[in-house]
Amino acid sequence: SAVISQKPSRDICQRGTSLTIQCQVDSQVTMMFWYRQQPGQSLTLIATANQGSEATYESGFVIDKFPISRPNLTFSTLTVSNMSPEDSSIYLCSVEIGGYNEQFFGPGTRLTVL
Amino acid sequence: GENVEQHPSTLSVQEGDSAVIKCTYSDSASNYFPWYKQELGKRPQLIIDIRSNVGEKKDQRIAVTLNKTAKHFSLHITETQPEDSAVYFCAASDYKLSFGAGTTVTVRA
Repeated sequence: SAVISQKPSRDICQRGTSLTIQCQVDSQVTMMFWYRQQPGQSLTLIATANQGSEATYESGFVIDKFPISRPNLTFSTLTVSNMSPEDSSIYLCSVEIGGYNEQFFGPGTRLTVL
Repeated sequence: GENVEQHPSTLSVQEGDSAVIKCTYSDSASNYFPWYKQELGKRPQLIIDIRSNVGEKKDQRIAVTLNKTAKHFSLHITETQPEDSAVYFCAASDYKLSFGAGTTVTVRA
């Protein structure tokens, strides 16, 4: 399996500001994903981060609010823009290893918006 | 899109007993069914998975069964131990994962 890291691990932000979360993998992977996990809830897919092209967003998530970059096969960023308290969540990246749908998660970024 | 339902939402078992969590899915195109364990404050960890061409898979104390006709799959944990206490999520995938709501398992010593 791969080693997946995220930065920052947690942050407290003021409403109206933006935060960029980084996800780094120690090996090249084709598929990277971003999820949101609200307190006490399940995981919801935000988007698939595509290398070299625009991310594919799920229903209810838009690029203006959650811009994603994927400059290479080991790195991706998710920005949470113009934050409100409702954006307080854990944001997790995941990677698919081996091309067999198996997804492994990063440690997550715990975001609190005041 | 895919809709995954998971039951029960909470499960309390005596140490040494078995635990069973059940999930149903809606999309017949789904062909991959993983289970994740998430301990408090930690990332979800893939513990076992099953593909649509297999009916059952076992790994030590955990096993998963799949009934494609009925569109349901289950996680079985035998001889439960306190370290099995966690939230368990099922998921179904054709090309992306859709998660169930989760089951909080508590193993009483």
